[in-house]
Formats: sequence, C-alpha cells, structure tokens
Amino acid sequence: GENVEQHPSTLSVQEGDSAVIKCTYSDSASNYFPWYKQELGKRPQLIIDIRSNVGEKKDQRIAVTLNKTAKHFSLHITETQPEDSAVYFCAASGINTGGFKTIFGAGTRLFVKA
Amino acid sequence: ETGVTQSPTHLIKTRGQQVTLRCSSQSGHNTVSWYQQALGQGPQFIFQYYREEENGRGNFPPRFSGLQFPNYSSELNVNALELDDSALYLCASSGPTGNSKYFGPGTRLTVT
Repeated sequence: GENVEQHPSTLSVQEGDSAVIKCTYSDSASNYFPWYKQELGKRPQLIIDIRSNVGEKKDQRIAVTLNKTAKHFSLHITETQPEDSAVYFCAASGINTGGFKTIFGAGTRLFVKA
Repeated sequence: ETGVTQSPTHLIKTRGQQVTLRCSSQSGHNTVSWYQQALGQGPQFIFQYYREEENGRGNFPPRFSGLQFPNYSSELNVNALELDDSALYLCASSGPTGNSKYFGPGTRLTVT
C-alpha cells in the first residue's frame, strides 16, 4: 500500500546549525506535500507546503525541496533556534482511484541545543 | 491558533461502546478530514468530507463513520470501541482542494 518514510526519527543540532529531514513517498498520484510542526500537547501546525509542479519553496528560515522522479522531498531549517524544537511530520496527498488520501510520515523529533 | 474547534476535549469509554466526536471547521473551509494519532506516531488518515460527501478514506474499518453538515461542521462516529482505538483524534479543515489543512486541538479518547 501507499507509504511515506521519514528520516531521521530523532535529530539533535546545535543552535544556529541547519537541520534536514527527508521523506520518501510511494504513491505516484501524490501531488501535494505539506510539513507540520507539532509541539508537545499541541495540534500539528502547517509550516510549509509544496505542490508537485514546483521543485523548491522557501519561507524565511524554512525551505522544502521536491524530487518527483525519485519521490523524495526534504525540509531544511537554517539558523535553528531552541523554539524550533518539536516533532516534524511530512505528508503526501493526492487523488487516486480510491479517492482523496493523505499519508503522514512517522515524524522526526528535533532537539535544538542552546 | 486556527479557527477549528473540537469537542469534547477528553473522553473515556468502555470497550464495545459507541462514541461521537465533533468538529467545527474554519470559516470559509468546506472540506473536513479526520485523523487518528496514537502516542508517538504520525496522524493516520481516516476519511475526508467535501460538501457533505465522503471523497476519500484511509485504511479504517466501517465501524469508523462520519457526517458533514451543511455548515461544514463534522462528526466522527466509532462503533464497537476497541482498546486500540485509544488515541488523539484530530480533525482538519481546508478549502476545496483538500490541501493546506488547519488542525483542531483534538479529542483524547481513552477506551478501557
């Protein structure tokens, strides 16, 4: 079945360093790839997204890249700050014969050390 | 915070019982989707409603069912509760493409 693999499961970086989280999806019908940040006890928050007709998107310190051929997409956070510490989820959405579907990765716990 | 609300916040049920969870979508959003998030895991897609019709479903059994109302609010119903149904249930609203989802705070369901 459809699947989204996310790596690493845990990532620890020093404040100011960059963090990269990678995802791979299996469903070729996927055409929308959002990233969510979830702090402990809170709801997931959309931080950036990319559509399949775009290869890269940037919003201040956050960027996402998409390689449709390889079915890979990545989240890049530059100049990390302690408040970036949270769990990050990637997701892949699209419409296939079974209708709309969205699949989340298992999450990456990011620790930013001051 | 988003304009998506959910009720109740917490709920404790006994195995075999039925439960109804509710979600009010953000103003202007006509699509609602539901997710199950077990502790330490990513959200699992249950189903999505667009203009009162289900237009997508994940790998959940038929005892998970839903409704969307004309005001685009939604309900998730789970029959014959099992212990494994214990989780955080999240709803998210979005525009007609189903993208750019904004999540509610969730309902924590405990089945004993």
